[in-house]
Amino acid sequence: GQNIDQPTEMTATEGAIVQINCTYQTSGFNGLFWYQQHAGEAPTFLSYNVLDGLEEKGRFSSFLSRSKGYSYLLLKELQMKDSASYLCAVVDSNYQLIWGAGTKLIIKP
Amino acid sequence: DGGITQSPKYLFRKEGQNVTLSCEQNLNHDAMYWYRQDPGQGLRLIYYSQIVNDFQKGDIAEGYSVSREKKESFPLTVTSAQKNPTAFYLCASSGGTINTGELFFGEGSRLTVL
Repeated sequence: GQNIDQPTEMTATEGAIVQINCTYQTSGFNGLFWYQQHAGEAPTFLSYNVLDGLEEKGRFSSFLSRSKGYSYLLLKELQMKDSASYLCAVVDSNYQLIWGAGTKLIIKP
Repeated sequence: DGGITQSPKYLFRKEGQNVTLSCEQNLNHDAMYWYRQDPGQGLRLIYYSQIVNDFQKGDIAEGYSVSREKKESFPLTVTSAQKNPTAFYLCASSGGTINTGELFFGEGSRLTVL
């Protein structure tokens, strides 16, 4: 079966750096998305990776290793507003989008 | 501003009743989707549509129905046949073909069955 694994919850301190991991086992690969979702709100797009390597966008970076079935989202200079769930989703060979359950990130002062 | 509008934001339903959730987009996107979100689970696809007058079942279509009579609109009906309808429902759209671009989500509709 197809599977996306993310930690259920993580805690970090304001101003610090946190890395949220995502591992996947899917039938083929056509890209990986990261979305941010604040409690009770809609997900919003953060990043898309289809080739190996690091994509940097301001305080957020996303890394992909297709050979390892692995991605991470790196958040720097954490702010209280970064408290949210972070969703990893993979596009498989049939262009179906497979979603992880999300990682709830708690930021403490 | 362009975006997706879902309504209502909160909805209460008695058992045995059908309810319809509205989803309208003015992004000129061809693809539209309905997802269900339950605590501790990933988003699950209910239905999706690539073009007007055509739609496909997702992973959990039983007990739901949709229509796509206009490009801008993709309403979802939760029927009485859906055994556990209490959930957060998200509508989304994307440009291009299915799942080839980022999804733009509406603000969601929270349905509670009393």
